[in-house]
Amino acid sequence: SQTIHQWPATLVQPVGSPLSLECTVEGTSNPNLYWYRQAAGRGLQLLFYSVGIGQISSEVPQNLSASRPQDRQFILSSKKLLLSDSGFYLCAWRQQAYNEQFFGPGTRLTVL
Amino acid sequence: GNSVTQMEGPVTLSEEAFLTINCTYTATGYPSLFWYVQYPGEGLQLLLKATKADDKGSNKGFEATYRKETTSFHLEKGSVQVSDSAVYFCALSERTGGFKTIFGAGTRLFVKA
Repeated sequence: SQTIHQWPATLVQPVGSPLSLECTVEGTSNPNLYWYRQAAGRGLQLLFYSVGIGQISSEVPQNLSASRPQDRQFILSSKKLLLSDSGFYLCAWRQQAYNEQFFGPGTRLTVL
Repeated sequence: GNSVTQMEGPVTLSEEAFLTINCTYTATGYPSLFWYVQYPGEGLQLLLKATKADDKGSNKGFEATYRKETTSFHLEKGSVQVSDSAVYFCALSERTGGFKTIFGAGTRLFVKA
């Protein structure tokens, strides 16, 4: 069966520091991958999605970036965090034959 | 563009009450529709889905029917439990591009014992 991992689970970082969040999927190949951010008590904002290795589409211009160095690995990065980057970051995957997405457990990021 | 609108919360019910969370959508073509549930501090879990008009998705006592004529996908449960307390998201999946999923804002449900 397929599983999706995210780490770290929680992270506290100072303003201006770099960020790297990792997401990996097991048990499937060539998935579509997605990064979302959820602000406290709010809905989901799609940040990036990828349909293949090295292919990244950005939905919202901001100081974050994403990369997909391997088929089942999706990384969210920033060179300098802002206070507004705080939130709950969710990674999701979708198998190309189906429409539904499956979510990881999330990373709670607090920028101080 | 495509969009999903769901009723604002929070919704507070007593145990064993009937639940309805309204969801309407705007889309070109024929999207798939979903309900996801999020428990505190966790990611989203797929609750149920429907892929074409008049389909009924159901799971764990929850159900929703894809109504193309009213562009709706309302979530219902006949008797809620305290353990159903969570945030519920209605969503649609586009069939083009990266098959992005458009989510509603979420509805928080509190069930009192």
